[in-house]
Parts: sequence; structure tokens; C-alpha cells
Amino acid sequence: EAQVTQNPRYLITVTGKKLTVTCSQNMNHEYMSWYRQDPGLGLRQIYYSMNVEVTDKGDVPEGYKVSRKEKRNFPLILESPSPNQTSLYFCASSLLAGTGYNEQYFGPGTRLTVT
Amino acid sequence: AQSVTQLDSQVPVFEEAPVELRCNYSSSVSVYLFWYVQYPNQGLQLLLKYLSGSTLVKGINGFEAEFNKSQTSFHLRKPSVHISDTAEYFCAVVQASGGYQKVTFGTGTKLQVIP
Repeated sequence: EAQVTQNPRYLITVTGKKLTVTCSQNMNHEYMSWYRQDPGLGLRQIYYSMNVEVTDKGDVPEGYKVSRKEKRNFPLILESPSPNQTSLYFCASSLLAGTGYNEQYFGPGTRLTVT
Repeated sequence: AQSVTQLDSQVPVFEEAPVELRCNYSSSVSVYLFWYVQYPNQGLQLLLKYLSGSTLVKGINGFEAEFNKSQTSFHLRKPSVHISDTAEYFCAVVQASGGYQKVTFGTGTKLQVIP
């Protein structure tokens, strides 16, 4: 089954404790992206990747890191989480078509609480 | 820079009544347009998309949207809503060219269908 998986689905942590949220897709998609969803703000892009070893900042990258060492995986790293990073996080992937756009497939989300 | 505006944060509507969810965008280049739906406690799934061609686009669950280039709008419509349509709806704009891809989401509209 084609899917995007995220782990963990729920996470409660304390300020300053490094954490990683994993994202994996089995569709051989080039493009992968991380979003955070906050009430009234919709989805805001944190980082995206066009392919292996190619990443770039989205609209709200501060406090986050990513890596793309393999095509299927795109982990989101919070080196020193703070309470303002409490949010619902989504990973998404899509093909990167040359002449058009293919829709993004979203993971189930990770609800992160930083106390 | 591109942006997406969903002016209505919440839209209550009675069951079997028609509904229109508004989306306006701004961009200096050609874009692709999407509507996603998020049911409670779930990820996002694609409702419909406009890439090119006919400006009236039909999606899943009886939804349709019309691309209006002169008004830079992509409003979502359904002639008769059901309780099961209660969800949050997101409009998204994608700028894609030469391998570059930029995705921007609106802030979402919560559709509440009243029995």
C-alpha cells in the first residue's frame, strides 16, 4: 500500500531535549516536505527536499533541522525544543514532475507537546 | 511571493443545502491549485486539483471548483452537503517550474454541517 508513515504519532517532551520525528514514504517520490499545523494558521512549510541531499527552508524553519540521506526518509530534528514548537506536524511527499505538479500525499501527523 | 487567502474560517450550513468555500490567491507566475480535506483527527487528502485545461474541476465526494484567472479565485462548491462533509478544507497553491516547487496553504475553512 502506498503511504507516508510518521513516528511517533504522539510525543510529550521537555524543553531542550533533542528529538527526531521520522518520515518515510514507499512511493519513490523525489519531493518531501514538513509542515506544522496550528489553529488559525493553517499549514506552514518548515523544510522541503527536492531529492537526496537537496533540502531547503520553507516559511518557518527556525528551530528545526532536516536531512535527506535516502530517498524514502526525511526526518525532522528539533535540537532544542521549546514550548512554541508545540504543534501538529505533517510530512508529505510527491513526485517532482518536470512539466506539472503531482499532488502531495500526507502522513497521519505527529502531535508534539513541549513543556 | 505567492499567498492564499481563505476568508471564511468557519462556515455553518444545514444538511442538503449548497455550500461555497472561498479561496483567493496571488502569484506573479502561473500556479497549480488544489483543495484538500482534513477530517477530524486525520491527515489531509486531496479533494481536487487544477493543473490546466477546463476551468471547472470535479473532485471526490461531489465537490467541484472553478478556476477564475481574472479574479484569481478557486472557490469550492457542493450542491448538497451531508453530515459526513463536516471537516476542515484547505486551499493550496503550487508554483512549479524547472524542478523548483513551492507550496503554500491557506489557513483553512471549517465546514460544519448542521442536521
